[in-house]
Amino acid sequence: GNSVTQMEGPVTLSEEAFLTINCTYTATGYPSLFWYVQYPGEGLQLLLKATKADDKGSNKGFEATYRKETTSFHLEKGSVQVSDSAVYFCALINTGTASKLTFGTGTRLQVTL
Amino acid sequence: SQTIHQWPATLVQPVGSPLSLECTVEGTSNPNLYWYRQAAGRGLQLLFYSVGIGQISSEVPQNLSASRPQDRQFILSSKKLLLSDSGFYLCAWKVQSNSPLHFGNGTRLTVT
Repeated sequence: GNSVTQMEGPVTLSEEAFLTINCTYTATGYPSLFWYVQYPGEGLQLLLKATKADDKGSNKGFEATYRKETTSFHLEKGSVQVSDSAVYFCALINTGTASKLTFGTGTRLQVTL
Repeated sequence: SQTIHQWPATLVQPVGSPLSLECTVEGTSNPNLYWYRQAAGRGLQLLFYSVGIGQISSEVPQNLSASRPQDRQFILSSKKLLLSDSGFYLCAWKVQSNSPLHFGNGTRLTVT
């Protein structure tokens, strides 16, 4: 079946530090991959997506590249801000799975001044 | 544009009481609809999904049920709440097969 593995959190960084949150997946075929962000007390918002190998999703300074050879979709940002503090979820969807997303367990990011 | 409404935002209920959480979607037709639960400090658990009116699929056995009385309305219910039902409940929708999910703002349920 499908699965998503994210690095354990929390991740604590100083403002302007470089961020990497690792995400690897297991799936048959050609899934689409997503990163969602959840700010405190809110629902999940789509941050970025990639639908095929070597695609790079980007939004708000965040980037992730769909690497089929390593089955990875690591999230990166060159310079984090305090406002980036949130929980980040990696997810995938595969055809033939009744349109169900498979989520990772989430990684909490705390950015301090 | 499409929007999703979920209410109430917060709810405190005693053990053994009934539950009804409602979710509606605007601006789209025949969406797939989903209920997720997020327990404190944990990931997302898919509870139910629906691909059409009256069609409900349950992902895990539990104390909850779901109904879809109208195309864009999805209701999560319980006849008798348990302490373990506490959590953050999220409704979501999507259309095309590999498109992303769009989430509501969630309902924080505390069972006391």
